[in-house]
Amino acid sequence: EVQLVETGGGLIQPGGSLRLSCAASGFTVSSNYMSWVRQAPGKGLEWVSVIYSGGSTYYADSVKGRFTISRDNSKNTLYLQMNSLRAEDTAVYYCAREKKGAARPNYYYYMDVWGKGTTVTVSS
Amino acid sequence: SSELTQDPAVSVALGQTVRITCQGDSLRSYYASWYQQKPGQAPVLVIYGKNNRPSGIPDRFSGSSSGNTASLTITGAQAEDEADYYCNSRDSSGNHRGVFGGGTKLTVL
Repeated sequence: EVQLVETGGGLIQPGGSLRLSCAASGFTVSSNYMSWVRQAPGKGLEWVSVIYSGGSTYYADSVKGRFTISRDNSKNTLYLQMNSLRAEDTAVYYCAREKKGAARPNYYYYMDVWGKGTTVTVSS
Repeated sequence: SSELTQDPAVSVALGQTVRITCQGDSLRSYYASWYQQKPGQAPVLVIYGKNNRPSGIPDRFSGSSSGNTASLTITGAQAEDEADYYCNSRDSSGNHRGVFGGGTKLTVL
């Protein structure tokens, strides 16, 4: 069964660090695009970061320089290292598998597998 | 531009047809994907690409696109379709960043 399970969330003080993990089963993380998406309490979805199968990484402006996406191929696991955390980083963090396709004249991306999320609360 | 704009709320009578729209410059270059999210649950992909449904998604869900606008149509809305719906694409600036619309709360009356 294709599945993603996030762990590592919790309560952390402003300025602190946290590492989220996303363990995959039923497919190979390194062969896919993998994304992190977050949702602040009562708010909409916010794209956070993506790592391509080739290893390229991209970040939202709101987290660039503070968050790092990575993967461990031997563990088939995706990570999000979060440093210098702020109150506004409080959210449920989801990992998702992303696919890319093309249908003339456009390209498209879609997240077809999602984890259940892990909650990060940044508060003193 | 990195923005996708959705109406905050839409309502539909049970069994009727509803269209949820998403506007943004990036939609001239990328097809949107659409996600359904019910309270306390993770998002679920319902439409991707030109008009593709993942396995298990009812055929009452369909997608279309024109210019800078993508649309999600539910033909014959059911009570279980009441949820938040989000569109998503890549930022049109070519920086590989993703972007979500603000979401549309669908109420089935």
